[in-house]
Amino acid sequence: EPEVTQTPSHQVTQMGQEVILRCVPISNHLYFYWYRQILGQKVEFLVSFYNNEISEKSEIFDDQFSVERPDGSNFTLKIRSTKLEDSAMYFCASSADQDYGYTFGSGTRLTVV
Amino acid sequence: AQSVTQLDSQVPVFEEAPVELRCNYSSSVSVYLFWYVQYPNQGLQLLLKYLSGSTLVKGINGFEAEFNKSQTSFHLRKPSVHISDTAEYFCAVSRGAGGYQKVTFGIGTKLQVIP
Repeated sequence: EPEVTQTPSHQVTQMGQEVILRCVPISNHLYFYWYRQILGQKVEFLVSFYNNEISEKSEIFDDQFSVERPDGSNFTLKIRSTKLEDSAMYFCASSADQDYGYTFGSGTRLTVV
Repeated sequence: AQSVTQLDSQVPVFEEAPVELRCNYSSSVSVYLFWYVQYPNQGLQLLLKYLSGSTLVKGINGFEAEFNKSQTSFHLRKPSVHISDTAEYFCAVSRGAGGYQKVTFGIGTKLQVIP
């Protein structure tokens, strides 16, 4: 069964630091997403990415956030200057074009101290 | 816009008893519906999905769900739960066919199976 791989599984960073969360989507998928889940709250959509550009973003995804697909396999989420409230589990997901398939990674737990 | 309501935040149930986790959705267009499970300190795992066709959908681990368009519901059921089913369950909805599918999640229901 193909998987979406996220690294690291847990990252601790100091407030104000930049952090990059990495994801390797399923190889034949074309649509990529980031979601986050603050502890005890619902899973929230952050951004979707297709054809090397953002196709939709939520109000959470402000100028501190950016996404990139630097090569043919990785999909990254960068937070430029982390805040305490950025502490959450971040999930990457990908989906196919011709056939419905939406797969989540196991998540990166980001803790901002 | 689409939304999901999970009516129960916590559901305690004894081992080997049946369970139903409730989910209602709202959307102005046709939707796809999903149930995801999240075990402690783990990611989201797809339990089952409804795209079209038969309204009774069977998923992994003995779970099933029934799509009811008139009641806009997609309740999850299992006839006999096991301790290992203790987890948080998320109902979710998306629209669109193939390709791009933004998913909207409910707030989750914690299933606590009591030995």
